[in-house]
Amino acid sequence: LAKTTQPISMDSYEGQEVNITCSHNNIATNDYITWYQQFPSQGPRFIIQGYKTKVTNEVASLFIPADRKSSTLSLPRVSLSDTAVYYCLVGNQNRDDKIIFGKGTRLHILP
Amino acid sequence: GAVVSQHPSRVICKSGTSVKIECRSLDFQATTMFWYRQFPKQSLMLMATSNEGSKATYEQGVEKDKFLINHASLTLSTLTVTSAHPEDSSFYICSARRTSGRVDEQYFGPGTRLTVT
Repeated sequence: LAKTTQPISMDSYEGQEVNITCSHNNIATNDYITWYQQFPSQGPRFIIQGYKTKVTNEVASLFIPADRKSSTLSLPRVSLSDTAVYYCLVGNQNRDDKIIFGKGTRLHILP
Repeated sequence: GAVVSQHPSRVICKSGTSVKIECRSLDFQATTMFWYRQFPKQSLMLMATSNEGSKATYEQGVEKDKFLINHASLTLSTLTVTSAHPEDSSFYICSARRTSGRVDEQYFGPGTRLTVT
């Protein structure tokens, strides 16, 4: 599985757009990029998944450059409730890959 | 999205006893489930992969005789912590893989807080 590198922590303010970048230099051709959100004492929650270019859903956007060696999770207009740990994972679940979590990014939203 | 449940949500047990944690996929069948452990302020650590109808695959350093995994049906996997000790106190999270289209999706349970006294 491709190893990922994310900032350990980030602070932002309510109403701001937050971008969290993840590096995955060894991503394989068949690998997808998936982001999860985790609140304290809860299981991770799926946010978004993509393979290349840009993916957008109701909660976030995911930007993936052409070389796919990094990706950026974009959270528009964050609120206090977005304070959580965000994990970037890379793998191909069709190959029965298991999901291995990195350290994640602890996002703290300030009022 | 798909729902995965865990039971119990929290449990306190005495040192030396065994505790069973259940993981259920409520609205889909899961041939593969995963068990993770998470200590405070740390990331999730994969313990084992649970395969329906066959033996679980344990990660390096995880004692298979201490953490018994049974995946007897397509919707249920259980993790039994045998002879629990205080150092086994942790947050245990399961996930279930659902095959959907081109890429399988993985859904996580809400977790079980185990405290061993």
